[in-house]
Amino acid sequence: DVKVTQSSRYLVKRTGEKVFLECVQDMDHENMFWYRQDPGLGLRLIYFSYDVKMKEKGDIPEGYSVSREKKERFSLILESASTNQTSMYLCATTIGGRSSPLHFGNGTRLTVT
Amino acid sequence: AQTVTQSQPEMSVQEAETVTLSCTYDTSESDYYLFWYKQPPSRQMILVIRQEAYKQQNATENRFSVNFQKAAKSFSLKISDSQLGDAAMYFCAYRLDSGGSNYKLTFGKGTLLTVNP
Repeated sequence: DVKVTQSSRYLVKRTGEKVFLECVQDMDHENMFWYRQDPGLGLRLIYFSYDVKMKEKGDIPEGYSVSREKKERFSLILESASTNQTSMYLCATTIGGRSSPLHFGNGTRLTVT
Repeated sequence: AQTVTQSQPEMSVQEAETVTLSCTYDTSESDYYLFWYKQPPSRQMILVIRQEAYKQQNATENRFSVNFQKAAKSFSLKISDSQLGDAAMYFCAYRLDSGGSNYKLTFGKGTLLTVNP
């Protein structure tokens, strides 16, 4: 089974702090994703990466950046956290290929106060 | 841009009964994939079923089946013999078969399913 590990299940940060959300996968997948989940809005794609050091913006990249220095690790960075970034963050991976599904981590619930 | 619409924010079903969750999508493409994911209170997103657009036959996985209507751009999920463990948020998702390195999914807003004993 694919294992996708998000370093924190719950996180509380203050406005203006720099925040790192970490995601590690153990299946040598090339493709990794960061989604944000909000009630009534579903999952929205922030950034994704299809290879080491490669990244592409998703639908809502503003206020976020990412880092992928190693294949197994994909970090989401909030340069200066704001209260409207309070949300559930989900990391996902896929091996790619036809109809290959996304495999998700357990999510990090971030609260910015 | 592709969009996915789940018109039922909430649904409920009696245990052992059948329920159908609706999903429509908007695309001008002919090759794509569709997925249903389940998110129980544990927050772990679990793949329920997937459908390739080029296949006319509807996908089935045990008690879960889909009604895929390509012309109508409709992809509903039927859960038969509902169980208490089926209670969850269900998300419909679309992925274009771009043939490249873009494997991102576009999700609907979700349907919260309650199963009543």
